[in-house]
Amino acid sequence: DQQVKQNSPSLSVQEGRISILNCDYTNSMFDYFLWYKKYPAEGPTFLISISSIKDKNEDGRFTVFLNKSAKHLSLHIVPSQPGDSAVYFCAASDAQGGSEKLVFGKGTKLTVNP
Amino acid sequence: DVKVTQSSRYLVKRTGEKVFLECVQDMDHENMFWYRQDPGLGLRLIYFSYDVKMKEKGDIPEGYSVSREKKERFSLILESASTNQTSMYLCASSIRARNQPQHFGDGTRLSIL
Repeated sequence: DQQVKQNSPSLSVQEGRISILNCDYTNSMFDYFLWYKKYPAEGPTFLISISSIKDKNEDGRFTVFLNKSAKHLSLHIVPSQPGDSAVYFCAASDAQGGSEKLVFGKGTKLTVNP
Repeated sequence: DVKVTQSSRYLVKRTGEKVFLECVQDMDHENMFWYRQDPGLGLRLIYFSYDVKMKEKGDIPEGYSVSREKKERFSLILESASTNQTSMYLCASSIRARNQPQHFGDGTRLSIL
């Protein structure tokens, strides 16, 4: 039972355009959501997060949107750069459950073409 | 900056061997985690620990055990390595508090022959 779903295994965009990565979840108890970026042969790097009391969080070129009623979040990268090419993982946690475990999606490979 | 260090980047072992993967973090984090990453499967939690000598099973603990004798160190043990344990292994740590990210090491690419 996959609680966090990234339905697009890959995404290709042109440099300078917007990249939109999507993530859906099924557990309504999730209250904290994160995005990680992973380059080959490196560990995931924390990118940005959002708690369920917000619907938007921005950090430079990266914005995460949360739609709780749809159980959907998205990561917007504007403008996209070739160095953004990586695998992006969405993750969620139910901290009220007393555990700081994260549940990860399977990832979306983003390719930004020069 | 948080530093999570995994002892080996690449490791090759033989079927049936006992394998130790070591992870050290330098930020006094209470929580530590072991994941494996496989193509098309994302990150799957093997074990985690929220304190010294404490451990809890994750989603795929079979064939693995862990040890946490010191707060900064979390070891993953493959009791008798098998070829289906060939994978990328990732260690992470986090503060024991709500809404905190986990910080990852660079991973160990383990091949079991």
